[in-house]
Amino acid sequence: GESVGLHLPTLSVQEGDNSIINCAYSNSASDYFIWYKQESGKGPQFIIDIRSNMDKRQGQRVTVLLNKTVKHLSLQIAATQPGDSAVYFCLIGGSQGNLIFGKGTKLSVKP
Amino acid sequence: GAGVSQTPSNKVTEKGKYVELRCDPISGHTALYWYRQSLGQGPEFLIYFQGTGAADDSGLPNDRFFAVRPEGSVSTLKIQRTERGDSAVYLCASSSTSSGTEAFFGQGTRLTVV
Repeated sequence: GESVGLHLPTLSVQEGDNSIINCAYSNSASDYFIWYKQESGKGPQFIIDIRSNMDKRQGQRVTVLLNKTVKHLSLQIAATQPGDSAVYFCLIGGSQGNLIFGKGTKLSVKP
Repeated sequence: GAGVSQTPSNKVTEKGKYVELRCDPISGHTALYWYRQSLGQGPEFLIYFQGTGAADDSGLPNDRFFAVRPEGSVSTLKIQRTERGDSAVYLCASSSTSSGTEAFFGQGTRLTVV
């Protein structure tokens, strides 16, 4: 199937450790941010989102942090598992409603 | 259907031919997005529809690419005079409103131009 992540930065973590994946954006008018996970040969899957009026949101094992001052977004995954291995993308929502992908990161979890 | 459906899942075409890629969004979703993903890269924005109209087509690479959504549901991405560089996975997504809500992705159409 399609192999995603050949040229993307890679983050390698040990199973059970926490992972932090970062995303920078450039448009200060961006108001909606989403993290997606993409496994090889599949379409992106929603993980968690956050709006610009928030700076932190938590889900199950995941936390998204938003720093609008420096236009930076991060995804924290607690107790990383082998099934978390995938490419992670941030998706940035513009004022017109379009959604633009940020640079992805390939997460590799070592058992 | 339950999710975003893209057809065909795979398409092989000869250089210079015309192709159409179809996207069936989730019923009732007003926003529809097309992206192109080359091997090992992140998805690249092509075009975004709000209802029947293209709200942002700034990502279409050239005039060989065109997309329509005549009834505000199904969308077709059309590529004329295909080139080998058009080979990629074409992803479609839909969401329920114009902004601030999750977009649901299809599995993509893998286009190979030989």
